[in-house]
Amino acid sequence: QKEVEQNSGPLSVPEGAIASLNCTYSDRGSQSFFWYRQYSGKSPELIMFIYSNGDKEDGRFTAQLNKASQYVSLLIRDSQPSDSATYLCAVPNQGGKLIFGQGTELSVKP
Amino acid sequence: SQTIHQWPATLVQPVGSPLSLECTVEGTSNPNLYWYRQAAGRGLQLLFYSVGIGQISSEVPQNLSASRPQDRQFILSSKKLLLSDSGFYLCAWSLWGPYEQYFGPGTRLTVT
Repeated sequence: QKEVEQNSGPLSVPEGAIASLNCTYSDRGSQSFFWYRQYSGKSPELIMFIYSNGDKEDGRFTAQLNKASQYVSLLIRDSQPSDSATYLCAVPNQGGKLIFGQGTELSVKP
Repeated sequence: SQTIHQWPATLVQPVGSPLSLECTVEGTSNPNLYWYRQAAGRGLQLLFYSVGIGQISSEVPQNLSASRPQDRQFILSSKKLLLSDSGFYLCAWSLWGPYEQYFGPGTRLTVT
């Protein structure tokens, strides 16, 4: 089992809809979780992090963490074409390294 | 605020040539520094990380090396490039452990 897994997509949603991106992780001891956005040809940008079970909201973005089920989600409300990018989930492992998933490509259609 | 720079932005080099990529961070002291490589359509591969001047940890055996001659400077080098070294090279920094890493703009390297 990979340490961090994401569906590669592409995930296609219409403009104005909610985009839901999911990530599962293997280390039950993980305490912190990060979401990065990467536009084509650009470097990853940190957009959200979450440390506690439950939801964390920042503008149109909501990160949801369920430690019992070992998954973390990113919801994007009122999706815009400018949200079209690859979203990377990252989780520190016990060796102290930040492990990235392969990323989910999101396409928001006008 | 903190800023991270990388140069050059793009580079085309022949096989067997040397390489030097530079990364500098402004606005913070004693950051952790990281070099990643992202091959086309692939995930991020951690190459090296450093917790201080002269302290380098290598993650993947290869023909690349890294150095940290100053607190906020991180250099990636190679004596002889291989075709497989092509990719998008990203430098990142963090303040505490591997958490909340912030990436530079990257260097796109093509080895021909």
